Amino acid sequence: EVQLLESGGGLVQPGGSLRLSCAASGFTFSSYAMSWVRQAPGKGLEWVSAISGSAGSTYSADSVKGRFTISRDNFKNTLYLQMNSLRAEDTAVYYCAKDGAHDYYDSSGYDYWGQGTLVTVSS
Amino acid sequence: DIQMTQSPPSLSASVGDRVTITCRASQSISTYLNWYQQKPGKAPKFLIYAASSLQSGVPSRFSGSGSGTDFTLTISSLQPEDFATYYCQQSYSSPFTFGPGTKVDIK
Repeated sequence: EVQLLESGGGLVQPGGSLRLSCAASGFTFSSYAMSWVRQAPGKGLEWVSAISGSAGSTYSADSVKGRFTISRDNFKNTLYLQMNSLRAEDTAVYYCAKDGAHDYYDSSGYDYWGQGTLVTVSS
Repeated sequence: DIQMTQSPPSLSASVGDRVTITCRASQSISTYLNWYQQKPGKAPKFLIYAASSLQSGVPSRFSGSGSGTDFTLTISSLQPEDFATYYCQQSYSSPFTFGPGTKVDIK
């Protein structure tokens, strides 16, 4: 059974940093691209960042480029999102999501999602 | 970036009703269109990929169609567990943008 378990969310002040983790199990982690998708309170879904299965390529939305860094450890079956210079508008539930493809640009949609972790940016 | 729109933003329907949700892309995306269902407080669930292919385990009352810029998600006979918000997403061009969602609630 595929499982994705996020952790690391919490309350952080504007300008602060946070590192999210997503522990994966039940599939060959290195074979699939992974993404972070966020959802602000009461709002829709927003793709944040993605990484290829081999970790050779990463991609980020313009809204987080230069502030957020996605990475993965294929030995630990874990996906990460390092978030720096956080802003109030980054407040959201952050989901990790498994792609059906190895590479981001071949995406066939996100077939499994974690339960999400809440990040609140406030003073 | 490709903009995705959905209509209607919300709808009220009864159990057994046929429901159709429309998704439109700001440019042609061939059939690179996915659909998700989300219930309050839960993660999205993958329903349909490549515009019309049903994800494994999804009931056959769900179907998708369309190509180019116009797509539809149809629920042939609405069930109590189908009351949720539905999102489309294009996977044709990065960033892979989502539509704003369509909320389906009980009439």
